[in-house]
Amino acid sequence: DAMVIQNPRYQVTQFGKPVTLSCSQTLNHNVMYWYQQKSSQAPKLLFHYYDKDFNNEADTPDNFQSRRPNTSFCFLDIRSPGLGDAAMYLCATSRKQGVFRDTQYFGPGTRLTVL
Amino acid sequence: AQTVTQSQPEMSVQEAETVTLSCTYDTSESDYYLFWYKQPPSRQMILVIRQEAYKQQNATENRFSVNFQKAAKSFSLKISDSQLGDAAMYFCAFYTSGTYKYIFGTGTRLKVLA
Repeated sequence: DAMVIQNPRYQVTQFGKPVTLSCSQTLNHNVMYWYQQKSSQAPKLLFHYYDKDFNNEADTPDNFQSRRPNTSFCFLDIRSPGLGDAAMYLCATSRKQGVFRDTQYFGPGTRLTVL
Repeated sequence: AQTVTQSQPEMSVQEAETVTLSCTYDTSESDYYLFWYKQPPSRQMILVIRQEAYKQQNATENRFSVNFQKAAKSFSLKISDSQLGDAAMYFCAFYTSGTYKYIFGTGTRLKVLA
């Protein structure tokens, strides 16, 4: 009964080689988020989708892009990964309205290693 | 701008004892929500407890309870009868209605000693 699924759980890429991380959800939530979390730090919001509306954080590097082809899926593309992009990437979802619309549900994360 | 502060980078508690994790926040909003999330090592972040700012009653979930002091902008988490499985990083988070964005604190690493 997994609700927010992230694939792969572990991803190794080479410096500068594009990589795509995947997130899917079975909750039918309108809002999807991508966070970057470095070791023992708070998650840092990269961007979020409110339905199809894309909202980029001002300090998210241009190197990071996202796609949401439908309600269930959201992708994080890192065009030219640098060593500093090695981190855990968390996907989360929430409702747009209704009870518990304020609560985010997180996936297990994808740990990205850049060689 | 909203901020969330967790002043305890690390805490330890003996198994079966009680521990309190601190969180303070700053906001000028009146409609907001507060959360504690638990992130075990290499595992998924899960919701521990949620508090609506307009409710005066402190939220409780089994062994977990909060002390919500709205005027002081304080939101501490009390874990009673601590268990080894409680060992994790705990994040305090703040959410304002309509923003769809969380503000996280820097986290408190809780160690449970057998």
